[in-house]
Amino acid sequence: QTVVTQEPSFSVSPGGTVTLTCGLSSGSVSTSYYPSWYQQTPGQAPRTLIYSTNTRSSGVPDRFSGSILGNKAALTITGAQADDESDYYCVLYMGSGISVFGGGTQLTVL
Amino acid sequence: EVQLVESGGGLVQPGGSLRLSCAASGFTFSSYWMSWVRQAPGKGLEWVANIKQDGSEKYYVDSVKGRFTISRDNAKNSLYLQMNSLRAEDTAVYYCARRAFGVVVYFDYWGQGTLVTVSS
Repeated sequence: QTVVTQEPSFSVSPGGTVTLTCGLSSGSVSTSYYPSWYQQTPGQAPRTLIYSTNTRSSGVPDRFSGSILGNKAALTITGAQADDESDYYCVLYMGSGISVFGGGTQLTVL
Repeated sequence: EVQLVESGGGLVQPGGSLRLSCAASGFTFSSYWMSWVRQAPGKGLEWVANIKQDGSEKYYVDSVKGRFTISRDNAKNSLYLQMNSLRAEDTAVYYCARRAFGVVVYFDYWGQGTLVTVSS
């Protein structure tokens, strides 16, 4: 069974830069997995941030960017703001109609 | 404006059944794959099921295969999730999500979710 891995938690200072990653328990993440990233605050529905590795969804600030770093997908927040404090989830498409979410990263801005 | 509105959640006993609905508006429903995603209390998101535009292809996470059935009615712009043999571990907020049009696979719109609680 494929497991998508994310850091459980991360901390960043206001104005700082943080990179969250999304990996596979076995193998490397590539663009063919169509990595996407979602932001969720408590009690709210997820919000789509990034799709197809590095394309920002409509209305998403350019301080959010996506990439492949080594063997993982990555979400970088440059110039973090207080309202970036959220949970962040990546999703990888495994083919055959199946998508798998990572466990999520709880980001603290302090 | 794209809108997805879930309904049908509630309290059900273990072994019971429940049918969730998702009413879609603001887009051509019949042109999109649709999905259900769930989130157990205090846990992460989990993809549950997908259905193709015409209902000819359906995919499920292993943990719900044989118990849950995804379906759609394009004439009513509605998505459904029939949940049978419910277990405590199925307790979650269930989100309806639209899969973006085209080759790139991701979820571009989400509903607000409906809570399903499985408990005696």
